[in-house]
Amino acid sequence: AQKITQTQPGMFVQEKEAVTLDCTYDTSDPSYGLFWYKQPSSGEMIFLIYQGSYDQQNATEGRYSLNFQKARKSANLVISASQLGDSAMYFCAMIGAGTALIFGKGTTLSVSS
Amino acid sequence: DTAVSQTPKYLVTQMGNDKSIKCEQNLGHDTMYWYKQDSKKFLKIMFSYNNKELIINETVPNRFSPKSPDKAHLNLHINSLELGDSAVYFCASSQGAGLNGYTFGSGTRLTVV
Repeated sequence: AQKITQTQPGMFVQEKEAVTLDCTYDTSDPSYGLFWYKQPSSGEMIFLIYQGSYDQQNATEGRYSLNFQKARKSANLVISASQLGDSAMYFCAMIGAGTALIFGKGTTLSVSS
Repeated sequence: DTAVSQTPKYLVTQMGNDKSIKCEQNLGHDTMYWYKQDSKKFLKIMFSYNNKELIINETVPNRFSPKSPDKAHLNLHINSLELGDSAVYFCASSQGAGLNGYTFGSGTRLTVV
């Protein structure tokens, strides 16, 4: 069975600093996709970044990068130069063959000035 | 030009009532989903439809009945509402199996009193 684990219930960071949100996963599928979504207090689910299991390079999208370590089954999200607007809940998610997107329990990020 | 739209955004109703949540996507996707986000923010798949056919039906009480009149619409009908049904329900869509990700609606906050 597939599983996503986010072990950090909450993280605190100051503006302009970088922060890493941890995510580990478990799957026996050779082909899978890893995602990060942001959920601000307004409630919508915002797609941030995607990494395919066969991608050789780590995905990057602006200030977001995904530190993909396949052997360790980890897919950590790195946010550089944090902004106040980054305060939100962040979900790591995975999809495999024949399965729907499954989510971790989320990490609440608080950015302070 | 909303990609995935859900109505209503908020729904407050009494125990025992029957209610529906509607979802429409204009992305041309062929697969749609319903997720439930509980009070602890955990997101769990409920149903998935591909071209109007039920693909995934997780362990959900049969009081919940999805209906897909066409591939652009997936509605959720809930009979005999219970207090424990209070949650945020998200509709999502993808092309095919969604290995490139899902697009989520803005959610419907259901409160059963």
